[in-house]
Amino acid sequence: QVQLQESGPGLVKPSQTLSLTCTVSGASISSGGYYWSWIRQHPGKGLEWIGYISYSGRTHYNPALGSRLTMSVDPSKNQFSLKVNSVTAADTAVYLCARAKSRDNSGNSDWFDPWGQGTLVTVSS
Amino acid sequence: DIVMTQSPDSLAVSLGERATINCKSSYSVLSRSNNKNYLAWYQQKPGQPPKVLIYWASTRESGVPDRFSGSGSGTDFTLTISSLQAEDVAVYYCHQYYTTPSTFGQGTKLEIK
Repeated sequence: QVQLQESGPGLVKPSQTLSLTCTVSGASISSGGYYWSWIRQHPGKGLEWIGYISYSGRTHYNPALGSRLTMSVDPSKNQFSLKVNSVTAADTAVYLCARAKSRDNSGNSDWFDPWGQGTLVTVSS
Repeated sequence: DIVMTQSPDSLAVSLGERATINCKSSYSVLSRSNNKNYLAWYQQKPGQPPKVLIYWASTRESGVPDRFSGSGSGTDFTLTISSLQAEDVAVYYCHQYYTTPSTFGQGTKLEIK
């Protein structure tokens, strides 16, 4: 059974960098065929796809957020990570990692399954 | 970006009755090459992540009760719960994965009347 678990600070100051890691168990990131994804959910709101990364490090970001994002992958630890710089209160959200089967090299994937439990990140001084 | 719009925003249905949630996309998510609709439905219960119920618009995920069904094509889709159970109280989201960025509906909150 594939499981994902997010980790990282729950509180980040404005203008600083949000850093999160997702640890995968039950499957190897190195096996390929999937996009490892980040999605966020603002409090009481819907879901927003942030971006994803392949096992080889190819990234696809949501253009609405792209310039502030950096994703990386560490196959040796079976982890992938997200950094969002210059955060504001608008970045306060539950951040979830998820897996999606990749369809091509252009960033198109299938549905998200499974998902991590999610971690709340609050941006506040 | 493809905009996904769900209706209604919230819904109260009696136990054992039918619940219907609609999802409309701003662009067709039907692929002409394989005749598949790139549309999924998720269920999210409080404090839990979303769980996929339906993909390809009408294919039920393994383990999902058969009271859940998906229908529709092109731009208009429906999630139906044929006989509402107490454990179905949740927020439901549609999701298009036809093209990047993939996008979600705003969610429909389903409650017991």
